[in-house]
Amino acid sequence: QSALTQPPSASGSPGQSVTISCTGTSSDVGGYNRVSWYQQHPGKAPKLLIYEVNKRPSGVPDRFSGSKSGNTASLTVSGLQADDEADYYCCSNAGYGKLVLGGGTHLTVL
Amino acid sequence: QVQLLQSGAEVKQPGASVKVSCKALGYTFTGDSMHWLRQAPGQGLEWMGWMKPHSGATNYAQNFQGRVTMTGDTSTSTVYMELSRLRYDDTAVYYCAIYDILNSFDSWGQGTLVTVSS
Repeated sequence: QSALTQPPSASGSPGQSVTISCTGTSSDVGGYNRVSWYQQHPGKAPKLLIYEVNKRPSGVPDRFSGSKSGNTASLTVSGLQADDEADYYCCSNAGYGKLVLGGGTHLTVL
Repeated sequence: QVQLLQSGAEVKQPGASVKVSCKALGYTFTGDSMHWLRQAPGQGLEWMGWMKPHSGATNYAQNFQGRVTMTGDTSTSTVYMELSRLRYDDTAVYYCAIYDILNSFDSWGQGTLVTVSS
């Protein structure tokens, strides 16, 4: 299956909000409420931010929120902070027990 | 708190095989699946597949069918990913991760760098 489509880059100033999209098809993002989002800092393993479209694990600030409309999921980061500068990946169930990830978005805090 | 400890970096020649291990500390294999993902230098994450240590069931991504084998040993809480017929573009950091009841990867290994070089 093809990777989910994410913009390669996004940016915002401290305190602002940024939204990162993740576009798939009705066979993955649109067909399941099993979209998750991960943050990855250089040289580190990814960290879970959002699961099942819009749920936050304990310990993840409420500045991070997720949503979905049709075949596109979105991650919004509010109140941007310097430490939010990282790569962000979406992941979706793709049927038949398979998963598919997005190509990643590098978020720059200006 | 689950901790996943992966084996160390490997350097392999093209055509060879590599076997990476992932030991789970503070975790008992039940119905969760252990997944493997990889990340080539400067590239995004790529899902490779999963196995369920308790049952031995596997499910591989189409891109790796025929080249990857995932196994597990519940007695040592360790899972393995073996990739054969290595190519230069298999050079990557390989991660194990648990896909849990929250339908997400909440626990990750530290990553294992596999370098394919002649």
